[in-house]
Amino acid sequence: DQQVKQNSPSLSVQEGRISILNCDYTNSMFDYFLWYKKYPAEGPTFLISISSIKDKNEDGRFTVFLNKSAKHLSLHIVPSQPGDSAVYFCAAGSRVTDKLIFGTGTRLQVFP
Amino acid sequence: NAGVTQTPKFQVLKTGQSMTLQCAQDMNHEYMSWYRQDPGMGLRLIHYSVGAGITDQGEVPNGYNVSRSTTEDFPLRLLSAAPSQTSVYFCASPAGPRTDTQYFGPGTRLTVL
Repeated sequence: DQQVKQNSPSLSVQEGRISILNCDYTNSMFDYFLWYKKYPAEGPTFLISISSIKDKNEDGRFTVFLNKSAKHLSLHIVPSQPGDSAVYFCAAGSRVTDKLIFGTGTRLQVFP
Repeated sequence: NAGVTQTPKFQVLKTGQSMTLQCAQDMNHEYMSWYRQDPGMGLRLIHYSVGAGITDQGEVPNGYNVSRSTTEDFPLRLLSAAPSQTSVYFCASPAGPRTDTQYFGPGTRLTVL
């Protein structure tokens, strides 16, 4: 049973435009959420996180939105740059279990 | 990658062979974990540890053993490798006092023939 889902395996966006990556979860016990970026042949790198008590967190070009009632979070990248081309994973965790559960990833391609 | 190292980078095994994937962190954190990444499956938690002498199972623990004798090291053992264990393996540990931000090692690409 996939507790964290990324239903779009790929996304293509023009440079300068907004990239929106989506993630859905099923377990209401999750109390924090994260986004990771992964380049080929490298480990995932942490990008941005949000606590379940917030609905928005912003860090430069990256903003994460959380809609708890819909069990949905999204990552906005504005403006998108070619260097943002990577696979993006959302992840959810619980401070009770200490487990971090990942989605299947979305491959973002930013073209000039 | 924030003080998490993994060896080897690549490994080819035959079915039935055993091996140990090494992971070490220099951040002095109690929490360490192992993930595997497979196409279309994302990252799946294999085992994790909240401190020396304490380990627990993740989402896909079967076929893997772990132990945690020191804070720094968290080896992952495959006792009898199977082709289904062909994957890229990542070790992770937080860098700060909280466990919610995991930093990953560079990965070990394992092929089981």
